[in-house]
Amino acid sequence: GQQVMQIPQYQHVQEGEDFTTYCNSSTTLSNIQWYKQRPGGHPVFLIQLVKSGEVKKQKRLTFQFGEAKKNSSLHITATQTTDVGTYFCAGLNGWGNTGKLIFGQGTTLQVKP
Amino acid sequence: KAGVTQTPRYLIKTRGQQVTLSCSPISGHRSVSWYQQTPGQGLQFLFEYFSETQRNKGNFPGRFSGRQFSNSRSEMNVSTLELGDSALYLCASSLVGGRYTEAFFGQGTRLTVV
Repeated sequence: GQQVMQIPQYQHVQEGEDFTTYCNSSTTLSNIQWYKQRPGGHPVFLIQLVKSGEVKKQKRLTFQFGEAKKNSSLHITATQTTDVGTYFCAGLNGWGNTGKLIFGQGTTLQVKP
Repeated sequence: KAGVTQTPRYLIKTRGQQVTLSCSPISGHRSVSWYQQTPGQGLQFLFEYFSETQRNKGNFPGRFSGRQFSNSRSEMNVSTLELGDSALYLCASSLVGGRYTEAFFGQGTRLTVV
């Protein structure tokens, strides 16, 4: 079945350093979504990428969708302690109307002040 | 507007028992999906309901079932509980599901099977 792999599993950075997490799918995705889950919380939607090669920015966060629509990345510039949490990518399975998200394992970010 | 509400927040059950979890989606949302989250397996898709019909199903045994009511509220049921069913069960609602809609997650129900 379709798999979405995410690396690294954990990342510890010093506040102010950059952070990147990578997501790879075994199949072409119709779109990819990114979520953030704070410790003890629930996943919160960050962004959705739909087009091949798409790049979107949200303040210090940059999201990219690969040309082949099989990989994606999230880059955070100058991390802050508020960035702590687990970041998940999630690929949408299929091309029709479906809510079946295939999640990567997540990357847990720790930021040292 | 009110978010996704899941009840109860915490549950402790004994092996062999059954459990029913409830999810009230955001008003107007018709798609409700359920996920199981464990430290080892991450977020695993259970099933999705849309307009009272199961539209998608994950790779879970038949002990896991669900349903959706006409007001879009959804329940999931797990029968003959096993220790491995201990997890955070998350419900997510979206407007219609599909390629261009984001999922809004509830706080989850933490199930512990002893």
